[in-house]
Parts: sequence; C-alpha cells; structure tokens
Amino acid sequence: GQSLEQPSEVTAVEGAIVQINCTYQTSGFYGLSWYQQHDGGAPTFLSYNALDGLEETGRFSSFLSRSDSYGYLLLQELQMKDSASYFCAVREAGGQNFVFGPGTRLSVLP
Amino acid sequence: DGGITQSPKYLFRKEGQNVTLSCEQNLNHDAMYWYRQDPGQGLRLIYYSQIVNDFQKGDIAEGYSVSREKKESFPLTVTSAQKNPTAFYLCASSLNSGGSSNQPQHFGDGTRLSIL
Repeated sequence: GQSLEQPSEVTAVEGAIVQINCTYQTSGFYGLSWYQQHDGGAPTFLSYNALDGLEETGRFSSFLSRSDSYGYLLLQELQMKDSASYFCAVREAGGQNFVFGPGTRLSVLP
Repeated sequence: DGGITQSPKYLFRKEGQNVTLSCEQNLNHDAMYWYRQDPGQGLRLIYYSQIVNDFQKGDIAEGYSVSREKKESFPLTVTSAQKNPTAFYLCASSLNSGGSSNQPQHFGDGTRLSIL
C-alpha cells in the first residue's frame, strides 16, 4: 500500500518562495501529482512528475526523487490567491487507484 | 463546456435513510472516482470505476454503494450502514492512464452531506 506524509501547515509572505514537501512509503507507483484546493472548492491539478527531476509550470515547479522517496512542490512569487491546501498524490502501479496525502494548508500573508 | 457536475450541493440525511449523490461528466472519460473528505483532512477513496459496468472498492467502501451503467454517470449511495456519513464528497474523472503517462483527475464541486 501507499502512505504519503506532508506538513500540515506552511505560512509565507507575498512575493516569497515556499516549498511543500511530500515523503512517501510505497510498494510501487507511476508518478507523483500535485493538486490545489481552495476552501470549499474542488481540487485542481497542478503538476506531475513521472521521472526524477524538476518539472516547471509557470510559478509552480515540482520535484521527484524516487531514490529518496521524496518530492516537493515549489511555489514562487507567492500571491494571496495561492492560499489554499496542496495535496500530493500517487497512482498505484498496475491500476488506476490514486492515493492522496493529508494535505498542506498554505497561508500567504500580506 | 465539458466538466463534472455533482448534485445536490448540500444534502441532509435522516437516521436509517439511504441517500444518493449524483455525478455526471461530459468529458468522455473512462475512469470515475468517489472520494470522501473530512474537515482538515485529505481525500480518501471510496470507490472507483475504470469502465462501464465495472467498479472496485477503495479504502473506505463500507457503508457505500455505486453503479456504473453509463459512461457519463457514477452515482454514489450512502447507505444507513454508514454510521458517520457527515463529510464533503468529491467525484472525479480521468482518462485511463497507461504506464507512467499522466491523466490528471478532474473534480466536481462536491456535495456536503450532513445528518439531521
């Protein structure tokens, strides 16, 4: 089975850079995804890493290291609208089942 | 526009009552999912379906049932056997992913279920 861990909360100021970590214990998975969820809203897809390394999408980047069982989401030039919860997720090898981490609540302060 | 529609937005259940949450998608996605989210928590998988007329239990399937008679629809029934149903329920869909290719999940706006 899969088990993912994330910090419960992170706080940063506008314009700063913040890193949200995701560590996992897994028997096998295809890739690491990141989703954003604003309060009361639906999660939306942000980024995906199939291979080790860095993927960049605008202000957001995501990193995966399978050897370290570790990944992170990097948010640059933080804006107030980035205040939300961020979830890492993996798709189990051999199927379509997704497992989500517990989420990290990001608060961006003025 | 293509997307996923969940209804109702809010739902109240009486003791001993079964209730059904609707999920419809027009994205032509093969796979559909139901998640439960409790306050301040992550998403836990209830059921998922990769193809019409087939579905698999997730981590917390007890007290829930689903059907997948049409590609577009994946309703979830919360039965009276589910003793703690109060939660935010999210439906999602995706294309079936092959190997390490990514097919992100698209989520509906959710249904909030409460006990009367």
